[in-house]
Amino acid sequence: GIQVEQSPPDLILQEGANSTLRCNFSDSVNNLQWFHQNPWGQLINLFYIPSGTKQNGRLSATTVATERYSLLYISSSQTTDSGVYFCAVKTGTASKLTFGTGTRLQVTL
Amino acid sequence: AAGVIQSPRHLIKEKRETATLKCYPIPRHDTVYWYQQGPGQDPQFLISFYEKMQSDKGSIPDRFSAQQFSDYHSELNMSSLELGDSALYFCASSLGLSRGVMAFFGQGTRLTVV
Repeated sequence: GIQVEQSPPDLILQEGANSTLRCNFSDSVNNLQWFHQNPWGQLINLFYIPSGTKQNGRLSATTVATERYSLLYISSSQTTDSGVYFCAVKTGTASKLTFGTGTRLQVTL
Repeated sequence: AAGVIQSPRHLIKEKRETATLKCYPIPRHDTVYWYQQGPGQDPQFLISFYEKMQSDKGSIPDRFSAQQFSDYHSELNMSSLELGDSALYFCASSLGLSRGVMAFFGQGTRLTVV
């Protein structure tokens, strides 16, 4: 099956710093979503971005489908950004989302 | 806006007991997915349903079964529970099965088997 690798696995930032999270996938995809899992375990939709670039406030995402990667940018990070960030993809005719390995982000004061 | 509702939010069961988790999709959504997330792991796909029929199957143990009802809600039944079944169980829903649809996740049910 498709492999979805995220980097870095762990990231510690001071409040106000910027960061870039990466998601690499081993096959062509037709659906890609970014999620934030907060410390209470809730999975929050950030972006639906199979290709192109989107922005939502301090967050933006870019997917280059032909090169099989997606990037999530977090600017002016806040402590509430802490948690685990997952990308998840659909490929071929599969209906399921396959999750990446996740990036655990900790934002400190 | 209405979201995916899961119940219960927390559940504690003893080994060899059974558990039933419920999922109520976003109104008009006809597709439901179940995922299991162990501690420190990424969510793993279990099973999905579209229009009350099973549409895809992942690494779901034979001790587990699921179905989608006429009102589109879904239930995950888990029998002969083992310690290793302790996890966060997510349900997600979408409108249709096509590749370009966005899935929305519920808040999860945290199952602890003791």
